[in-house]
Formats: sequence, C-alpha cells, structure tokens
Amino acid sequence: ETGVTQTPRHLVMGMTNKKSLKCEQHLGHNAMYWYKQSAKKPLELMFVYSLEERVENNSVPSRFSPECPNSSHLFLHLHTLQPEDSALYLCASSQDSGADRVYNEQFFGPGTRLTVL
Amino acid sequence: GQNIDQPTEMTATEGAIVQINCTYQTSGFNGLFWYQQHAGEAPTFLSYNVLDGLEEKGRFSSFLSRSKGYSYLLLKELQMKDSASYLCAVSDSNYQLIWGAGTKLIIKP
Repeated sequence: ETGVTQTPRHLVMGMTNKKSLKCEQHLGHNAMYWYKQSAKKPLELMFVYSLEERVENNSVPSRFSPECPNSSHLFLHLHTLQPEDSALYLCASSQDSGADRVYNEQFFGPGTRLTVL
Repeated sequence: GQNIDQPTEMTATEGAIVQINCTYQTSGFNGLFWYQQHAGEAPTFLSYNVLDGLEEKGRFSSFLSRSKGYSYLLLKELQMKDSASYLCAVSDSNYQLIWGAGTKLIIKP
C-alpha cells in the first residue's frame, strides 16, 4: 500500500465512450502525475500538476483531459480513444519543494488497465 | 535526445547475485532512481543516487558513475519474490524523470 489509490483497476471501453480515471493520494503531497505504461516501453509522462496547476503537458492528444480539483485528487477524462491507447495508466504523487528541490521520490498507485475496443 | 538503456530481461538463480545495468544520456542530471515493479502492481521506490559511489540498503545496492553515465543495481541472496521488473529513471535538468523500459528479472529455483 503506497498511499495512492486508483479506480477503476480495470476498464474496457469502446472508441465512442466517455470515461474517467480517478486517483487519490493520502500522503499530503503537492504534486501529482499521470503516466502511460505500455508493454516493454518506458513510462511516458502525460501530465504533471504541482500545487493544483498543470506544469507539464507532453504533447498528449486532446482525447485525454486531466483535472485536478485539489492537491489530493486527480482525474483523467477519456473521450473517443483509439485501440493504441490501450495500456496501464499510472498515477503518482510527490512532494515538490519548488526551486530547491533535488529529490522527488514518486509514489505510485496500482494503475488502471485500460482496453479500448 | 534523452535516453535510458537497460537490458530487457535477465535470469538468475535463487540465492545468487545479479547486477542490472543502466546507462543514460540526459540533458542535465539531478539524480538516478531505481524502482521495483511486480507484475500488475505499482512501481515502488528502491534507491536514489546523486553522488558517485555505492549506496547499500540491505540485500540491494545501487552504484552511480556520473562521468560514465552509468548505474547498476546489485541484488544479493536472491529470493523468488525478487522476480519483478526493475526500472531505472534519471531526473533531468528540469527535475523531470526520464524512464528506462525496465529490466524483467526472472529468478529460478
């Protein structure tokens, strides 16, 4: 148990569906992340929120839309996905100490296994 | 571009020692992380190196050479539960983590 929870754990959706992934962290951290993990590929950083503001958006397609209502919750809204979007979606959190940060260990949730038909 | 290289898969015997290597080319360096990920589970933190040398933590040790862009994770007295993927990640000049694809470690009795 890492202190980061994700729901649902598994999701199967059609290309026309709209769904949302939820992440919650109970660690008092101020930064949260969405990653995509595909088989035998490096973790791909999708979005970063620090102090509830988005600070990174690595050219992710607009069919993925993040939302961070507060420092403990993070959502990923999904719309008209493609089969190649099938992957494990991981949420993580860390304590971002700002300009002086050197060490930002990230704590991961168990992930949502997404299958797009 | 930024790149992290580590072997795709390794096999070792229970009770033995295994070394997993990681080489990196990144824009800046603010530390190197090793994470363990069991199948179907979240990655969990193992170690962090920012200075050259060896960091030991129980059966696991991690080594860093910044001049060579090289690190290794050393696992001693291997147990079956050590079967997992081991992920190497480097914090770049923007403190963004650049990840390797992971090394799947298979432990045989």
